Amino acid sequence: EVQLVESGGGLVQPGGSLRLSCAASGLTFSTSWMNWIRQAPGKGLEWVANIKPDGSGTYYVDSVKGRFTISRDNAKDSLFLQMNSLRIEDTAVYYCTKVSLGSDGDYWGQGTLVTVSS
Amino acid sequence: DVVMTQSPLSLPVTLGQPASISCRSSQSLMSSDGNTFLNWYRQRPGQSPRRLIYGVSYRDSGVPDRFSGSGSGTDFTLKISRVEADDVGTYYCMQGPHWPHTFGQGTKLEIK
Repeated sequence: EVQLVESGGGLVQPGGSLRLSCAASGLTFSTSWMNWIRQAPGKGLEWVANIKPDGSGTYYVDSVKGRFTISRDNAKDSLFLQMNSLRIEDTAVYYCTKVSLGSDGDYWGQGTLVTVSS
Repeated sequence: DVVMTQSPLSLPVTLGQPASISCRSSQSLMSSDGNTFLNWYRQRPGQSPRRLIYGVSYRDSGVPDRFSGSGSGTDFTLKISRVEADDVGTYYCMQGPHWPHTFGQGTKLEIK
């Protein structure tokens, strides 16, 4: 059974930093594109960042470019999201995901809530 | 960015009746290799989204055949032939060929 378990969410002041982690199991992590997707309270889904299987390429939505960094540790089957210069509008549940466009599995974690507030 | 527009945003349905959700993209979702990348997800209250359909019309494992996807280019539809109580939730379409990948606003299905 595939499991993606996020941690690291919490309350942070505007301008602060937070590092999210995701522990993966049950899938071949080192060959999987991995993603972070977020959902503001009561709102829809927004793709945040992608990372290639070997970590050699990363992609960000414009609203987080220069502030967020996605990374991974394939030796530990772990995905990370370093979030700096946080804004109130970054408040959301952040999902660790392996989104698939094809017949291979599509998996989502349970999400971790990040609240940016003074 | 590719804009995904769903309609309706709210969908009250009587048990046993059919339901249909439309999803339109601002650009074609056909990639250069001829494949079309459009997923459908359902998010039940308090849960993470779960994929139901990929590649426009392919059902994920365990998804009842009451669910079907269709469409091409920029116009797509998710149909439920007979709505059951378990189908309640918010449905999202998602496009795959263009970065950033984007979702529709969501369609909230409820039982009348």
